[in-house]
Amino acid sequence: DAGVTQSPTHLIKTRGQQVTLRCSPISGHKSVSWYQQVLGQGPQFIFQYYEKEERGRGNFPDRFSARQFPNYSSELNVNALLLGDSALYLCASSLYWSSYNEQFFGPGTRLTVL
Amino acid sequence: QQQVKQSPQSLIVQKGGISIINCAYENTAFDYFPWYQQFPGKGPALLIAIRPDVSEKKEGRFTISFNKSAKQFSLHIMDSQPGDSATYFCAASAGPQGAQKLVFGQGTRLTINP
Repeated sequence: DAGVTQSPTHLIKTRGQQVTLRCSPISGHKSVSWYQQVLGQGPQFIFQYYEKEERGRGNFPDRFSARQFPNYSSELNVNALLLGDSALYLCASSLYWSSYNEQFFGPGTRLTVL
Repeated sequence: QQQVKQSPQSLIVQKGGISIINCAYENTAFDYFPWYQQFPGKGPALLIAIRPDVSEKKEGRFTISFNKSAKQFSLHIMDSQPGDSATYFCAASAGPQGAQKLVFGQGTRLTINP
């Protein structure tokens, strides 16, 4: 069975540009969460979407936005990129929205901002 | 209050030894405590998780010990093997009604020497 897939694998952008990251959850999973993992640190929660509705938002600026599509895939958008946005962006999916449901992480998209 | 503090940052253990990683939290609303294992180039994968109604949970060579009064929990890896070499993250989240927001520790880089 396919796990969580993310695209692209790697991305290089310059300051001020915009980026869109994509995530396909495990088949049947309705919840998608996004995390930012800066090198040498633990992942930080950005968003959770369930049934196309935003269920949670972490402490990130409005430059970060996301959406979930009817097939439960999701996009994370970051506008006006800063050097500090360089990180591994992880997508996680789970069956339902509860924090007790196991989250399955994808391999991530490595974003480098120059 | 949202932090989860993890120690040590790095750990070297001989094959067959016991690896111990510790975490502490402040937010008493946290009620789900998972441990994740991450290999280079991969997303985190759930290893074992505990709820605060039990003080210990064991799955194979992995054991979580939980001390609710001290607000601390730890991961013990028995008979550590070279294949266990990875980065380990503790995490915590609050309540089934809230967002699926995991708060991660800083991570522990574990090396098992053969």
